[in-house]
Amino acid sequence: DTEVTQTPKHLVMGMTNKKSLKCEQHMGHRAMYWYKQKAKKPPELMFVYSYEKLSINESVPSRFSPECPNSSLLNLHLHALQPEDSALYLCASSQSGTPDQPQHFGDGTRLSIL
Amino acid sequence: EDQVTQSPEALRLQEGESSSLNCSYTVSGLRGLFWYRQDPGKGPEFLFTLYSAGEEKEKERLKATLTKKESFLHITAPKPEDSATYLCAVRTNYGQNFVFGPGTRLSVLP
Repeated sequence: DTEVTQTPKHLVMGMTNKKSLKCEQHMGHRAMYWYKQKAKKPPELMFVYSYEKLSINESVPSRFSPECPNSSLLNLHLHALQPEDSALYLCASSQSGTPDQPQHFGDGTRLSIL
Repeated sequence: EDQVTQSPEALRLQEGESSSLNCSYTVSGLRGLFWYRQDPGKGPEFLFTLYSAGEEKEKERLKATLTKKESFLHITAPKPEDSATYLCAVRTNYGQNFVFGPGTRLSVLP
């Protein structure tokens, strides 16, 4: 079991739906990340939160909206997604945002857009 | 531009047949090189961090080494449960994100 918990594990939604992905960690980490991973590809960074402030947004379409309610929780709000957004969405955390610390990943949410 | 490549793309080994995976990088200001293991349908599992050339880390059948241009993940006497995709990633002085390599898919046959 990982120490980063993501829910739900699987999500199927239509292109007009609104849904949210949730991520929780209780390791006291102060940096949290959202990644998108397509099949047989490495994870691609979407967003970085450092001390609950959005510090990196890698030119992600506005149909993805991140939120960090507190230092343990990270949400990704989804609206009007496209079929090409189907992927594994991974959450990660690290002790802080400094470059020398590893990120610890959850097992992801498998998202399918109909 | 920071770049990370991995070779081979895929590797099939017989159980007990030792081998090495390569991660080559071209970055400015390396702060850390990270190895992960990823099983199908799971998130990457952290294995090692290497910070400077000459450093080595070991864990069970795995040993990671680092030079100024590349890192190797040596697998000694692998078992079928070592089958996974192995990802390396680098972090630099200038960015908060990992730059991931494309991964090596390892299959260990009994």
